[in-house]
This record gives sequence, C-alpha cells and structure tokens, in this order.
Amino acid sequence: GENVEQHPSTLSVQEGDSAVIKCTYSDSASNYFPWYKQELGKRPQLIIDIRSNVGEKKDQRIAVTLNKTAKHFSLHITETQPEDSAVYFCAASSRSNYQLIWGAGTKLIIKP
Amino acid sequence: ETGVTQTPRHLVMGMTNKKSLKCEQHLGHNAMYWYKQSAKKPLELMFVYSLEERVENNSVPSRFSPECPNSSHLFLHLHTLQPEDSALYLCASSHSAAGTTYEQYFGPGTRLTVT
Repeated sequence: GENVEQHPSTLSVQEGDSAVIKCTYSDSASNYFPWYKQELGKRPQLIIDIRSNVGEKKDQRIAVTLNKTAKHFSLHITETQPEDSAVYFCAASSRSNYQLIWGAGTKLIIKP
Repeated sequence: ETGVTQTPRHLVMGMTNKKSLKCEQHLGHNAMYWYKQSAKKPLELMFVYSLEERVENNSVPSRFSPECPNSSHLFLHLHTLQPEDSALYLCASSHSAAGTTYEQYFGPGTRLTVT
C-alpha cells in the first residue's frame, strides 16, 4: 500500500545550525508534498509545500527539495532558533486527491 | 485562529459511555476529516467527507461512527470505547477538487481518555 517513511525520528541540533529531515514515498502518482509543524499541545500547521512540477521551494529559513525519480523529499531549516523546536510531519498526496499519506514525524530539538 | 474549531477540548469517558465530538469549519471548505493521533505514530486518517462522499479507513472499529450533516459540521460518535482508543482526535478541513490536493487546516483537537 501507499506509505511515507520519515527520518530521523528525533533530531537535536545546536541553535544556529541547519536541520534536515528526509521523507520517501512509495506512490509514483503522488504530486503534492506538504510539511506540517506541530508545537507541543498545538495543532499541526502547514509550513511549506511543494508540487511535483518543481524541484525546490524556499520561504525565508525553510526550504523543501523534491527528487521525483528517487521518490524522496526533504525539509531544510537554516539558522535554527529555539522556536523551531517542534514535531515536523511530512506527507504525500494519495491516488485519492483529497487524502494525504503521513510520515511518522520528527521531533526537532534546538539546543541553546 | 485557523477557522476550525473542536469541542470538547478534553473528554474523559468510561468504556460504557456514549459521547460525541464536534467539529466546525468556517473556511468554506468542502472536505472534512477525522484523524487519530497517538504518541510516536503517524497521523491515522479515520474518515473523510468530500462533496457528499464518505471514505473510511477500513481498520477503524465500528465503535467510531462519523456524521457530516453539511459541509461545515462534522461529528464523531463514540460508544463502548476501549482504553487503547485514548488519543488526540483531530478534525481537519480542506478544499476538494478533482486532480488537485489542497492544504488541510486542523482544529485544536480533542484529548480523549477512556477509563
């Protein structure tokens, strides 16, 4: 069946350094790849997304890259700050357009 | 405020109780979702209502019953739950159109504890 694998499950980086989270997907028909951030006790919120017609998208300190051939996509956060500490989820669209297949999440810890 | 509200925010219920979770969206979306979020697991899609069509995850037990009276309201009826059903239940909504997947907006969730 369709699935999305996300790594690592926990990532600890020094404040100011960069963080990279990677996801692989199984369905070659997937064409939409969002990233959500969930702070402790709060709801997941979209931080960036990419569609399969582009290879990279950037928004200030965050960027997402997509490799359709290898079926993987990555979230890059530069100059990390304490407020970046959260759980990050990747997802990929399924053959049913309105459904997303979710990764298991990455807990990002920013060390002061 | 994302425009998706859920009530109650916290719920403790016994295994013999019947309760309902409510979700409301004010974003003009035409698809609504119920997710179960358990610790260290992916978000588990339970049910989707889109353009009057209902899609369900076949692994969801029948003790969970959804209801979507219109495109703005979604309910999850609960009865004879088990302790392993304790989790955060998230509602979400999005636009829905053939050929395109859209961002999902989440509610704050209902933290459910089954005793």
